[in-house]
Amino acid sequence: GAGVSQSPRYKVAKRGQDVALRCDPISGHVSLFWYQQALGQGPEFLTYFQNEAQLDKSGLPSDRFFAERPEGSVSTLKIQRTQQEDSAVYLCASSALAGGSDEQYFGPGTRLTVT
Amino acid sequence: SQKIEQNSEALNIQEGKTATLTCNYTNYSPAYLQWYRQDPGRGPVFLLLIRENEKEKRKERLKVTFDTTLKQSLFHITASQPADSATYLCALEGTGKLIFGQGTTLQVKP
Repeated sequence: GAGVSQSPRYKVAKRGQDVALRCDPISGHVSLFWYQQALGQGPEFLTYFQNEAQLDKSGLPSDRFFAERPEGSVSTLKIQRTQQEDSAVYLCASSALAGGSDEQYFGPGTRLTVT
Repeated sequence: SQKIEQNSEALNIQEGKTATLTCNYTNYSPAYLQWYRQDPGRGPVFLLLIRENEKEKRKERLKVTFDTTLKQSLFHITASQPADSATYLCALEGTGKLIFGQGTTLQVKP
């Protein structure tokens, strides 16, 4: 596709529900990143994939957060038993090269609101 | 711990002037630094990348400097336009991933 797409764009979940956020990176991009962005803050790193391998998940805030990229293209970020503090914009980015030393192309984000 | 600081207050300037945004960092030795632009409701958009062995990089009306001694990057927009109004984020390479600052909001008034 022309760019990185994410779905849904907006998600409202009741506390305790599970949610799944999808990212479609630019075709052929090796690296895929997930970030969490709170209002008025910069994106915070969550996790990084090189093809299908999850090489860094040091930013995931708890074991309720899980990400996968099984075929090295589309990725899903899953949050189990959502809490109010999970409310944020979740951004996905992809880059052509491995290791994050390249410019990153961001999707529009998914705004998650936990009530 | 690693820390990145950008001007937390919004920067308001008049159209046609040069905007200068600052990014300071501590406890870091990044191999490169990137600048992104973010508009409300959208994801960040890449602007420029500068490596540790480069002092300055330019792209059209944009200029970035990188001083590894001062641990500082300056981002300049010359002949600013109202369309340049946005939040600008600096991001440093940190062990294979990007670490972002909190961003500085620029408002260019006509």
